[in-house]
Amino acid sequence: DIQMTQSPSTLSASVGDRVTITCRASQNINSWLAWYQQKPGKAPNLLIYKASNLESGVPSRFSGSGSGTEFTLTITSLQPDDSATYYCQQYDTFWRFGQGTKVEIK
Amino acid sequence: QVQLVESGGGVVQPGRSLRLSCAASGFTFSSYGMHWVRQAPGKGLEWVAVIWYDGSNKYYADSVKGRFTVSRDNSQNTMYLQMNSLRAEDTAVFYCARDRAECTRTNCYRYFDLWGQGTLVTVSS
Repeated sequence: DIQMTQSPSTLSASVGDRVTITCRASQNINSWLAWYQQKPGKAPNLLIYKASNLESGVPSRFSGSGSGTEFTLTITSLQPDDSATYYCQQYDTFWRFGQGTKVEIK
Repeated sequence: QVQLVESGGGVVQPGRSLRLSCAASGFTFSSYGMHWVRQAPGKGLEWVAVIWYDGSNKYYADSVKGRFTVSRDNSQNTMYLQMNSLRAEDTAVFYCARDRAECTRTNCYRYFDLWGQGTLVTVSS
């Protein structure tokens, strides 16, 4: 099974900060990686697919990069509405999510 | 309006059964693979099951294999999850999700582009 490891588990940043979340796969998944945002009590929402493709309607301050086993999600200028938990997901072989990164606003 | 709506959750005793439904609207349901994903209270996301657009293939997470069965009725735009022999550790919010596939010459790769609001299943005596 492919394991997904996110870091950090929690981060606290100020409005306007640049924020980066890392996701590592236990084996090569090429670019078959998605990122989701989940707010409390709500369903996850697709942000990025195929590692770096921005889903329609998602603000351009979100971006993704990486391939193989190491990936990042970057928020270039953190906004209050970005307070949420972010999950990476590999879809190379079946589907598995990272454990999540909770982003808090200072 | 493009949406997925889950129903059927509730409180059930260990060892009993429950059937969840996922009703789709606003898109051609019969063209899409569909998934169940669950989230235990305060925990992360766990993929549970997938069913191909025509029901021809079904796959399950090891944690539910042999106990859960996914099915669909394309005439009713609805997917189901039959859950038997429920355990306390099955307590979770269950989401249904639509997949979007990108296919190469040799394989298709599917991620989740539309999610329902979830239905809570509580397994407790």
